[in-house]
Amino acid sequence: EVHLVESGGGLVQPGGSLRLSCSASGFTFRSYAMHWVRQGPGKGLEYVSGISSNGGYTYHADSLKDRFTTSRDNSKNVLYLQMSSLKPEDTAVYYCVKGRLAREVYSGYDGDYWGQGTLVTVS
Amino acid sequence: QAVVTQEPSLTVSPGGTVTLTCGSTTGAVTSVHYPYWIQQKPGQAPRTLIYDTSSKHSWTPARFSGSLLGGKAALTLSGAQPEDEADYYCLLSYIGGGFGGGTKLTVL
Repeated sequence: EVHLVESGGGLVQPGGSLRLSCSASGFTFRSYAMHWVRQGPGKGLEYVSGISSNGGYTYHADSLKDRFTTSRDNSKNVLYLQMSSLKPEDTAVYYCVKGRLAREVYSGYDGDYWGQGTLVTVS
Repeated sequence: QAVVTQEPSLTVSPGGTVTLTCGSTTGAVTSVHYPYWIQQKPGQAPRTLIYDTSSKHSWTPARFSGSLLGGKAALTLSGAQPEDEADYYCLLSYIGGGFGGGTKLTVL
C-alpha cells in the first residue's frame, strides 16, 4: 500500500527558511516522478513543483522558482522541498503527490496518490 | 500562461446528474492536455478521480466519468450521492500547467 508522510511543517517568521520532507513507502520510489501541491487556508490547490524519477529534472511554478527547491534522495525514499525567503502568502498545507507513471521523463503533473499534508505557517 | 477555468459552484439533487467543466483561456482543452480531476472532501486530503481525460483509478466510483465536451474537459456525476459533496479541481497536465479554481459541488 502506498504511503506518503509529509513532515517539517511549522511556524516560521517571514524571511525564514524551512525544509519539508515526504517519506514514501509501498512502491519503488526511484521509478516515479514526485510532486508538491499546496493549499492556502480556504483556498484552492496550487501546483508547486515536480521532480523526475532520478532527480535530474525539476519544475517549479514561476512565482516560486527563485525561492523553492525540490530534491529527492532515492536511497532513503524521501522527497524534499526547501523553502527560503518565506512570505505570509506561503502559508498553506503542503501535499506530497506520487507520480502515476514509472518513467524517467518529467512531462508535467501525473499524480495519483496524495499524502495527508503538512501545515506551514509564515507569521 | 493559461488560466484553467471551472464553475465556482454547482448543486445537484440526490440521484441526479451533473456535469462539471474545465476550460482554458488559451483555447480548447484537448486530450493532449491530459486533464485530471481531483476530489477534496471537507477536512480531507485531495484524491485523484480521473486522469488522462477519462481514465479511472481503482478507487474511483463508477458514477464518475470524464470526457471532452465542447472544447472543455468534463466530469459527469450520474446518480449523485450525499458523500459526493466536495470540491472538485481540474488540472491540465503539461509543463507549466496548473489547477483550476475548483468547483464546490453541493448535493441537495
